Amino acid sequence: AQTVTQSQPEMSVQEAETVTLSCTYDTSENNYYLFWYKQPPSRQMILVIRQEAYKQQNATENRFSVNFQKAAKSFSLKISDSQLGDTAMYFCALDNNAGNMLTFGGGTRLMVKP
Amino acid sequence: NAGVTQTPKFQVLKTGQSMTLQCAQDMNHEYMSWYRQDPGMGLRLIHYSVGAGITDQGEVPNGYNVSRSTTEDFPLRLLSAAPSQTSVYFCASSRAGGHGYTFGSGTRLTVV
Repeated sequence: AQTVTQSQPEMSVQEAETVTLSCTYDTSENNYYLFWYKQPPSRQMILVIRQEAYKQQNATENRFSVNFQKAAKSFSLKISDSQLGDTAMYFCALDNNAGNMLTFGGGTRLMVKP
Repeated sequence: NAGVTQTPKFQVLKTGQSMTLQCAQDMNHEYMSWYRQDPGMGLRLIHYSVGAGITDQGEVPNGYNVSRSTTEDFPLRLLSAAPSQTSVYFCASSRAGGHGYTFGSGTRLTVV
């Protein structure tokens, strides 16, 4: 079985500053995919960033980047220049490469303060 | 391009009633799945499908049925609603290759 753990239930950051959300996971697969999803108060699940386990290069999408440490099974999300619209729940998720399921962490509630 | 469409958005059921949550996608995705989200928790997989005619159970399948007669549609049936099924339900779809799932907007279900 695969598991995903997010150890920070809540975090806050000042507008324009940088924040890092942590995620650790466990899987017996060698090839898999990792994701960060954002869930604003509207409850819509929005894909933020994607990482392929066989790629060593960390993924980047505008202000969002990841630190992927495969040996340590760690996958953190860094948000630079935080904006008020970044306030949301953030979920780390693991795709087992069979494409049939995502395993989610419990989420981190991020508050961006003006 | 509508993406993943879920209906209804809200529903209140009485204990013992049955109902079907509808899910349709127009992206020709092979994979579809249903998740439930309970307060303060991540999403948990109920059932999934890797193609028309193929379904399987996820982490929390009890009390739910699914079928997939077409690529586009993947309805979730609650057989006899129980208060423990009060939750937000999400349908999602994906194509092969770990591209990430596209989610519907969710259905908030309350069982009284």
